[in-house]
Parts: sequence; C-alpha cells; structure tokens
Amino acid sequence: AQSVTQLDSQVPVFEEAPVELRCNYSSSVSVYLFWYVQYPNQGLQLLLKYLSGSTLVKGINGFEAEFNKSQTSFHLRKPSVHISDTAEYFCAVSPMNRDDKIIFGKGTRLHILP
Amino acid sequence: EAQVTQNPRYLITVTGKKLTVTCSQNMNHEYMSWYRQDPGLGLRQIYYSMNVEVTDKGDVPEGYKVSRKEKRNFPLILESPSPNQTSLYFCASSLSPAGTVYGYTFGSGTRLTVV
Repeated sequence: AQSVTQLDSQVPVFEEAPVELRCNYSSSVSVYLFWYVQYPNQGLQLLLKYLSGSTLVKGINGFEAEFNKSQTSFHLRKPSVHISDTAEYFCAVSPMNRDDKIIFGKGTRLHILP
Repeated sequence: EAQVTQNPRYLITVTGKKLTVTCSQNMNHEYMSWYRQDPGLGLRQIYYSMNVEVTDKGDVPEGYKVSRKEKRNFPLILESPSPNQTSLYFCASSLSPAGTVYGYTFGSGTRLTVV
C-alpha cells in the first residue's frame, strides 16, 4: 500500500523569501508524483508532476520539485514567494503498477507574511 | 475553455431531503470522480466512473449515489443527507484513470451544509 505524508500542516513565510514544502511517501513499487495547489475558494489545480526522467521538475508559477528516490521524497520549492502564492498545497502519489489509484496527502497551508 | 463545472457552489439543506450536485466536463474525458474534502482528512474519493455506465465505489461511498448516463455528466446524489455529510465536494475528470499520468482537472467545489 502507498501513503503520503506532508510533514507540515501550515508554513508561514515572508514575501520574497524562499519556501520548501515537504512531502514524503511510502511505496513498495515505483510511483508517479504530483503537486496540486488549491487557491482560496477554488478547486485543486495541477502544479507539476513527476513521471520519469529528470528528477527536477518545473511547474507553473515558478514552482519546482525534486524527486529523491533514496529518501522517498518529493519536496516543492520556490525561490521567492509572492502574496498570490497563498494557498493550500497537496502532494499526491500514484503507483505505477496500478492505473486506478491516487493517494493525496492532507495538505500544507502556505501563509505569506507581508 | 477546458473545465469541470459543478453546481451549486453552496448548498444548505435539511436532514433527509434528497439532493443532487451536478458535474459536467467539456474535455471528453472518460474518467470522472467525486471527492470530499474535510479539515485534517484531506481528499477522500467517494465514487468514480471509468466511462459511460461504468461506476464504482471509492473509499467513502456510504450515503452517496452516482450515475453516468452521458460522458460529460457525473451527478452526485445524496438520497437522505445527514449532518456528517457536511463537507466540501469536488468533481474531477481526467484522460487517465484516477488522474494518474495526466493529472486531474477539478471543479470549483460545492460546499454542502446539512442541518
């Protein structure tokens, strides 16, 4: 079985500072990895995904994530955040040996401080 | 614009009064799914559909029904709503089952309160 752990439920960060949102997963098989963003009063939106190849994945709005197989992590980073990045971020994992299953983490709320 | 449209956005109802939340997508996706989002619990899948007339239970199907008579529509039905179904509901669709590989497109959500 797979599981996803987002280590921080909330992360406060000052505007223009860098941020890292942590995601660790557990799986006995290879996985696809995703980050979704949920802006206030909106649905989730795909930010980026890792399927194969380069372990550094670039997404929308200046975000990137790095897949680390040995540490089973897929942390999300942005070098300089803006007030518009205020949102909840969800990490998700899908096992490669099943095409009908995706598990979402519980989310990390990013607060941008002025 | 490619989108998933849910209606209504907000709904307050009373215990036991049947309701339907509609969901429609314009991307010709075969796979559609319903999730509920609760604080501290994240997203949990209620039902999903691989294609027209093909539906199956997700992780928390009790108290819900769905139908898939047309490819674009996937309504969520609560035959007898109870207060524990108060939640934020999302419809999602994808080219791939469960949003794997291609990812999901989500609707804007329906906030349901059952009193």
